[in-house]
This record gives sequence, C-alpha cells and structure tokens, in this order.
Amino acid sequence: GQNIDQPTEMTATEGAIVQINCTYQTSGFNGLFWYQQHAGEAPTFLSYNVLDGLEEKGRFSSFLSRSKGYSYLLLKELQMKDSASYLCAVSSNAGNMLTFGGGTRLMVKP
Amino acid sequence: DGGITQSPKYLFRKEGQNVTLSCEQNLNHDAMYWYRQDPGQGLRLIYYSQIVNDFQKGDIAEGYSVSREKKESFPLTVTSAQKNPTAFYLCASSSAENYEQYFGPGTRLTVT
Repeated sequence: GQNIDQPTEMTATEGAIVQINCTYQTSGFNGLFWYQQHAGEAPTFLSYNVLDGLEEKGRFSSFLSRSKGYSYLLLKELQMKDSASYLCAVSSNAGNMLTFGGGTRLMVKP
Repeated sequence: DGGITQSPKYLFRKEGQNVTLSCEQNLNHDAMYWYRQDPGQGLRLIYYSQIVNDFQKGDIAEGYSVSREKKESFPLTVTSAQKNPTAFYLCASSSAENYEQYFGPGTRLTVT
C-alpha cells in the first residue's frame, strides 16, 4: 500500500517563510505533486517533482528526495491569500492515479 | 475554454434516494476520476476510468456507481447503500502523457 504523511495544521505570519513537509512510502514512485485548495474550492496545481532537488516557481518552491521519501513545499513572502490547504500527492506505477495525503491547513496571520 | 464542469454546485437529497452527480470535460483527456472529501480531510478515490467503457473501483467504492459511455462524461451515482453520503465530491481528469490531474469545481452533497 501507500502511506503519505503531512502535518494537519500550520500557522505563519504574513511576509514570513513557511515549509510544509510531506513523507511518503510507496512502490513504483513516479513523481510527487503539490496542490493548493482554498476552502470549498477545487485543488489547483502548484508543482510536480520527478527528480531529486529543488524546483522554484516564483514565491513557491518544492523539494524532493526520492531516497528519503520526503518532499517539502516552501512558501516565501507569505500573503493572506496563501491561507489554504496544501495537498501532497504521489503518482505511482498504478497508472496515472494519484494518492493524496490528508492535506496541511495553513493559516497566515497579519 | 477547456476545462471540467460539475453540476450542480450544491445538492440536497433525502435519505434513501439515489442521486447522480455530473462531470463533463472538454480537455480530450482519457482518464477521469471521482474523489470524496470530508471536512478537514484529504481526497479519497471512489472510482476511476482510464478509457471509455471501462472503470475500476478506488479505495471507497461501496455505495457508489459510475458509467463511462462517452470520453467527455463520467457521472457518479450515490446510492442509498452509501452509509454517510454527505460530503464534497470532486471530479478530475488527466491525459495519458501527463500525470497532472485537473479538477472540476466540485459538488457539495447534503443528505438529510
């Protein structure tokens, strides 16, 4: 089976940096996605990591270590609109299905 | 404008009634998926379909049924056998070349 763990909730201050971790155990790993989901809305794509290392995209960066089964999403210069849930999802050999973690609810405070 | 549509946004039903949630995509994607999301939780896979006229059960298929008669459409029926149907339902699709899943806006189903 597959197991994906991420913290349930995090709080950070506007303008700060926050790192959301995700650990996974899976067979036949293909890649790892991060999605952002505002309350009551659909998840939207943030990043996709296949190889080890850091992928930077504006204020958001995502890191992957395949050997450690570990990823993190880094959000810089936090804004109030970044308050949302962040979902880690793993793509494995099982076709193009994704297995999602429980999501991390981030609250950004002034 | 390509995308995925789900209707309605909000749906109310009485216990014991079957209800069908629609999902349509014009992205020409082969694969489509149905997820259930409960408050404060992640997404759990109900059913998925990799190709027309074929579908497989996900992790929580009991009490649900689907059909895939057309590439564009993947309706989900929540039957009276589903013990706790009140939830947020999300439909997604993906292409064969790209593992990224694109999501519809979701349907919030309330059964009383």
